[in-house]
Amino acid sequence: EAQVTQNPRYLITVTGKKLTVTCSQNMNHEYMSWYRQDPGLGLRQIYYSMNVEVTDKGDVPEGYKVSRKEKRNFPLILESPSPNQTSLYFCASSLNRGGGYTFGSGTRLTVV
Amino acid sequence: AQTVTQSQPEMSVQEAETVTLSCTYDTSENNYYLFWYKQPPSRQMILVIRQEAYKQQNATENRFSVNFQKAAKSFSLKISDSQLGDTAMYFCAFMKHGGTYKYIFGTGTRLKVLA
Repeated sequence: EAQVTQNPRYLITVTGKKLTVTCSQNMNHEYMSWYRQDPGLGLRQIYYSMNVEVTDKGDVPEGYKVSRKEKRNFPLILESPSPNQTSLYFCASSLNRGGGYTFGSGTRLTVV
Repeated sequence: AQTVTQSQPEMSVQEAETVTLSCTYDTSENNYYLFWYKQPPSRQMILVIRQEAYKQQNATENRFSVNFQKAAKSFSLKISDSQLGDTAMYFCAFMKHGGTYKYIFGTGTRLKVLA
């Protein structure tokens, strides 16, 4: 089944404890992105990647890191999480620029 | 910078009726893509419909269609024969045709279909 697999679905962590949210797609998609969703703000792009080893900042990159060492994987790293990073996170991939996204099932992150 | 505005935070419609969700955007680009995504209570994001700005013809996917007015920078979504399963948040999104891969989403419209 063609899909974007995102883990974990739920995570509660403490301030300052490094964490990684994994994202993997099995569709050979070139483009991948990370978003955070907050009430009243819609989805905001954190980072995106247009190919292996090609990543760039979205609108809200502060406090996050990404890497794209393989085409299928695009992990999101929070080196020192803070409570303002409590949010719902989505990974998404697309075959080409205008084709629309396939989304992962989301990660609900709570930082206390 | 591009912006996407959804001015209706919440809407409701009776089952089997038709409803239109509005979306306006601001850009100086001539070529771009527009999308509508649906997020049901399960929170999964699903692509509903897409439109390429250089195509005059409005996109249609079964009961979902758009009214794309390029000069007015308007991209509304019409849902015909509304079903209970259409209850969801709907997000409008914009992306430039070239350059950076920045994707701009609106703040969403919560649609409730009433039995």
